[in-house]
Amino acid sequence: AQSVTQLGSHVSVSEGALVLLRCNYSSSVPPYLFWYVQYPNQGLQLLLKYTTGATLVKGINGFEAEFKKSETSFHLTKPSAHMSDAAEYFCAVSNAGGTSYGKLTFGQGTILTVHP
Amino acid sequence: KAGVTQTPRYLIKTRGQQVTLSCSPISGHRSVSWYQQTPGQGLQFLFEYFSETQRNKGNFPGRFSGRQFSNSRSEMNVSTLELGDSALYLCASSLDTAGRDTIYFGEGSWLTVV
Repeated sequence: AQSVTQLGSHVSVSEGALVLLRCNYSSSVPPYLFWYVQYPNQGLQLLLKYTTGATLVKGINGFEAEFKKSETSFHLTKPSAHMSDAAEYFCAVSNAGGTSYGKLTFGQGTILTVHP
Repeated sequence: KAGVTQTPRYLIKTRGQQVTLSCSPISGHRSVSWYQQTPGQGLQFLFEYFSETQRNKGNFPGRFSGRQFSNSRSEMNVSTLELGDSALYLCASSLDTAGRDTIYFGEGSWLTVV
């Protein structure tokens, strides 16, 4: 079984400030981890993913995340927030094959607000 | 390259009716999955199809069904609609189902049940 916990349903930052969105996962096998962003009335867009290899993953729009196995975490960061980053962010986990075919397990989402 | 296309984008149905939603995956993608998104339950996996076969299913009642055609296009059907079925239904596609492949999402179909 796998699960994802996103700490903080709402995060508010000032423009130019550091963005930190927290994600912890639970998985009985090595996980594949993803961050998606959802803008109002739109679908999900992939920001970045971790499958194997380098634990620091860089994504689009200046976002990055670090896989820390010992902490079962995959926190999303961005050094300097832009107004356009305001959206809802979802952390997700999948596993290789088996009962996980095509299945992403999502966290509850974190709404990011950016103040001018 | 066109993304995942879902139709219709918005629809309103009455309790007890049924609804069919359509999804065209990215060209070359053979895996299609469906998700339900609601404010209360968040994003929940419905089912996944690969080469016309359902390979995985979430924890939803039998009123929710789907199918995939030989061209990888997929439809999902909800029968005997309930108010609680009001949600955004997202279709997603990926190249295969190795787990690590990126799953690309469509913009969704907004279903309102009245």
